[in-house]
Amino acid sequence: AQTVTQSQPEMSVQEAETVTLSCTYDTSESDYYLFWYKQPPSRQMILVIRQEAYKQQNATENRFSVNFQKAAKSFSLKISDSQLGDAAMYFCAGDLTGANSKLTFGKGITLSVRP
Amino acid sequence: DTGVSQNPRHKITKRGQNVTFRCDPISEHNRLYWYRQTLGQGPEFLTYFQNEAQLEKSRLLSDRFSAERPKGSFSTLEIQRTEQGDSAMYLCASRPSLGSLGNSPLHFGNGTRLTVT
Repeated sequence: AQTVTQSQPEMSVQEAETVTLSCTYDTSESDYYLFWYKQPPSRQMILVIRQEAYKQQNATENRFSVNFQKAAKSFSLKISDSQLGDAAMYFCAGDLTGANSKLTFGKGITLSVRP
Repeated sequence: DTGVSQNPRHKITKRGQNVTFRCDPISEHNRLYWYRQTLGQGPEFLTYFQNEAQLEKSRLLSDRFSAERPKGSFSTLEIQRTEQGDSAMYLCASRPSLGSLGNSPLHFGNGTRLTVT
């Protein structure tokens, strides 16, 4: 079965500090994609970063980077220099079936940023 | 690029009534997805279309749910005989069919929040 697990329901970070959000997944495929999406209180889901499983190099987008551990099936998101606008729900998701069809999402984590 | 548009934003209905939601995808996107999100949970896949063809339907989608995309542009999701358990945010997303999900990721709308009383 293809599953995505986010076991931390909430996290808090001080503004300008760094925070890491955890995610694990399960798939029998060797080639797949992983994503982090952000959902601010306005509710529109926004893509933060993506990672292709066959690429060993961890993806980076400005202050956002991932730590992709394929053997451990772990995909964590690191947010550096946290800003108040980073406060949102963050969802880990994957295209894990190999069929290039749909995303499976984790339950999400609520990130709050303390000024 | 006007983004994915969903209407209405909010819908309150009484149990047993039928409701219909509309999604207008980004114009050049021929794949369209419906997800359901309950409070504090991640989106759950319901169904998706490529053009007018419904390619996959989740087992979560009971017989009371039907989705259509008759001309391969906008889509509607209808729920018949609504139940309180149907209360959720219904999200629509779209993407081009060319390329992988990694290269052509999903773009989401703002969702339609359904409350069944």
